[in-house]
Amino acid sequence: NAGVTQTPKFQVLKTGQSMTLQCAQDMNHNSMYWYRQDPGMGLRLIYYSASEGTTDKGEVPNGYNVSRLNKREFSLRLESAAPSQTSVYFCASIRTRSSYEQYFGPGTRLTVT
Amino acid sequence: GESVGLHLPTLSVQEGDNSIINCAYSNSASDYFIWYKQESGKGPQFIIDIRSNMDKRQGQRVTVLLNKTVKHLSLQIAATQPGDSAVYFCAENLAGKLIFGQGTELSVKP
Repeated sequence: NAGVTQTPKFQVLKTGQSMTLQCAQDMNHNSMYWYRQDPGMGLRLIYYSASEGTTDKGEVPNGYNVSRLNKREFSLRLESAAPSQTSVYFCASIRTRSSYEQYFGPGTRLTVT
Repeated sequence: GESVGLHLPTLSVQEGDNSIINCAYSNSASDYFIWYKQESGKGPQFIIDIRSNMDKRQGQRVTVLLNKTVKHLSLQIAATQPGDSAVYFCAENLAGKLIFGQGTELSVKP
């Protein structure tokens, strides 16, 4: 049982490049989340998916898109990266929305130059 | 130019002492609260939670206290150990979304 996995662990992009961050969970959880964490700050919600086939915006969705490919996988796409998107990105999942204990992946550290 | 990160509040304690980490939350409609621990280079890890109809909950070496009157949450760690050194975040649940606080860095001196 690997829990929540994220790829890649590190990435450097040039301004304007695109990339997709991958997230997968093997706990049969319904809801999945993408957060960003900037230095010295808490996590801010980018997008979430309450269940397979649905996605909703969080607190800071601009510049990002998401896809809930199936129950296991939830990807985050940056279409045209900007230096302001330099951050650590965490994916998380929970079994149901009545249980808010979130399981987090190890994070992807993204630098946009 | 290079951005400058915020400096986290820091709590420094001696090994074996008790630690108390405080958190003020923002919304009186929040119905569920969680404390997370984040070690350097890792994702947050669940520690303990409490629902808004409770004012105290105990776990192994940890206790969470909730004061809804002043919208305040605290995490008490008994007999703090070097392995407790990390950043601790509180989070409040509002309409199904978790809102995280800034975090407090706990440093344990041997």
